[in-house]
Amino acid sequence: DVKVTQSSRYLVKRTGEKVFLECVQDMDHENMFWYRQDPGLGLRLIYFSYDVKMKEKGDIPEGYSVSREKKERFSLILESASTNQTSMYLCASSSAVGYTFGSGTRLTVV
Amino acid sequence: GNSVTQMEGPVTLSEEAFLTINCTYTATGYPSLFWYVQYPGEGLQLLLKATKADDKGSNKGFEATYRKETTSFHLEKGSVQVSDSAVYFCALPTTGGSYIPTFGRGTSLIVHP
Repeated sequence: DVKVTQSSRYLVKRTGEKVFLECVQDMDHENMFWYRQDPGLGLRLIYFSYDVKMKEKGDIPEGYSVSREKKERFSLILESASTNQTSMYLCASSSAVGYTFGSGTRLTVV
Repeated sequence: GNSVTQMEGPVTLSEEAFLTINCTYTATGYPSLFWYVQYPGEGLQLLLKATKADDKGSNKGFEATYRKETTSFHLEKGSVQVSDSAVYFCALPTTGGSYIPTFGRGTSLIVHP
């Protein structure tokens, strides 16, 4: 069964910490995405990548960076976590037939 | 550019009631259309899709018909269950060389016993 795996379901971090959210897909997809989901705001695209070492900013990249050193892995980095980054983070990968999402990481920054 | 508009929720229904969640879109050409479902605490899962005009996608008792003339892809189910309580997203895949999918804001469905 194909899947997108996010390394943590729940995380609690302190303000100012550097936070890494990991995402791995086993479908050999070229495209990978990071979204955050907040009540009333739907899904907002943070960054996406269409190839190894390639990345593009989405709608809300401020405060985030990404890394794609291998095709199967796409990491989201919060350089210095802040309380307004408390959210649900969703990773996805895509092919021509649709998108596959991970189960999400609920991050709380205290 | 592409856009998707969904009815705002929450939609609250009793078990066995009929469900409609409206979705309209604007897009270049005639893209495939998707519905995704997100159960509490989970990521999004593909529910159904339609690839061309007049196609009907169906899964788990849900249906949606691709209406080119009204640019709509409304989600329907004849008899909802408590287990259908979730957030439903209408979506367009990438088109025209863009890698970025377009999602609606999501509609929360709450089904009471």
